[in-house]
Amino acid sequence: EAGVAQSPRYKIIEKRQSVAFWCNPISGHATLYWYQQILGQGPKLLIQFQNNGVVDDSQLPKDRFSAERLKGVDSTLKIQPAKLEDSAVYLCASSSNQGGRDSNYGYTFGSGTRLTVV
Amino acid sequence: GNSVTQMEGPVTLSEEAFLTINCTYTATGYPSLFWYVQYPGEGLQLLLKATKADDKGSNKGFEATYRKETTSFHLEKGSVQVSDSAVYFCALSDPVTGGFKTIFGAGTRLFVKA
Repeated sequence: EAGVAQSPRYKIIEKRQSVAFWCNPISGHATLYWYQQILGQGPKLLIQFQNNGVVDDSQLPKDRFSAERLKGVDSTLKIQPAKLEDSAVYLCASSSNQGGRDSNYGYTFGSGTRLTVV
Repeated sequence: GNSVTQMEGPVTLSEEAFLTINCTYTATGYPSLFWYVQYPGEGLQLLLKATKADDKGSNKGFEATYRKETTSFHLEKGSVQVSDSAVYFCALSDPVTGGFKTIFGAGTRLFVKA
């Protein structure tokens, strides 16, 4: 099966500019996650979708970050305006829903988008 | 809240050496435990998992046993190869109290020398 697709792979922007990342999960995976991985740290969850509904966005900086998954498939994560501290790799992951205990089966991650804010 | 602590790196070993990367966790429920691996320039890949106490996860020569009594899930491999050089992340997911999300440790970088 095809993996989780993300684009672009790299992006360099100036602070206060806007940027958007795209993710296409594995076909049939109902749950989609966006993680932020700052250099030298583990991934931190930004937002979790179940189909096209938000399950958890408690750690999403909502004043500048937004995400959507309108048709329950692809997802877009946006930052507007960007700050220097947003420099990180943004990872998208998906998992199948096994009666709500899908977290027991692990995630499939995309290769990520490396964002550099200068 | 739930958390994962793993040993700091980098860990540098010679080829065929024995590997241990320590991981301990804090959880209020009964979490599932995972090891993910991140090769240079790539996303995270699930390496192995264990869903209940005393389970042993294994894959590609790596093993980890879910120890509830010591709240640990240490990663081991008997003989490492240069191709094992990567960053290893310990993680937990607690569907009951953690809302289905996975929490990751900070990662341990492994260098294997030929």
